[in-house]
Amino acid sequence: DTEVTQTPKHLVMGMTNKKSLKCEQHMGHRAMYWYKQKAKKPPELMFVYSYEKLSINESVPSRFSPECPNSSLLNLHLHALQPEDSALYLCASSQPRQEVGELFFGEGSRLTVL
Amino acid sequence: EDKVVQSPLSLVVHEGDTVTLNCSYEVTNFRSLLWYKQEKKAPTFLFMLTSSGIEKKSGRLSSILDKKELFSILNITATQTGDSAVYLCAVRDYGQNFVFGPGTRLSVLP
Repeated sequence: DTEVTQTPKHLVMGMTNKKSLKCEQHMGHRAMYWYKQKAKKPPELMFVYSYEKLSINESVPSRFSPECPNSSLLNLHLHALQPEDSALYLCASSQPRQEVGELFFGEGSRLTVL
Repeated sequence: EDKVVQSPLSLVVHEGDTVTLNCSYEVTNFRSLLWYKQEKKAPTFLFMLTSSGIEKKSGRLSSILDKKELFSILNITATQTGDSAVYLCAVRDYGQNFVFGPGTRLSVLP
């Protein structure tokens, strides 16, 4: 069982919809991540929150809007997406920079944009 | 720019074979190297390596890091069909960044 929980597992949305992906972890990690993964490609970093503050934004289009309400929760708000945004969106968490630790992944939210 | 390269990109073997997967990297402020296995969903953690020359082992899988030559290998002995997956190598710097390589797609035939 993964200790990083993502909902929903699958999402189909139209280009005019507004939806959100949610992620929760209870491991006490203070760094949380959103990755995007296309088929047969490695995970590609989108955003990193460290101590609930956005620390890395990899030039992601503004139609993706992250939010970290508290140290256990991470959201990704989606608006006016394009079909090429269809992908597996992975949430992950880790210990922050002072400590050595691995990245724990959730099972992902598979997004299809019609 | 930080970079992680893996080889081979794809590998087909038969059950019982031994495989070696390679990962080389160019990363500023290297902190650790990690191996993940990805089947249909999220990557699952295999090993984390921080020191050169110390082998990490778990069952039929083992891995070692060479910080001088900037590479790591992942060995799988007596492969089974359940080992079929994409194996991802990632490198962490002293910040929050984990950089992933392209992965090696391993297929183990019965």
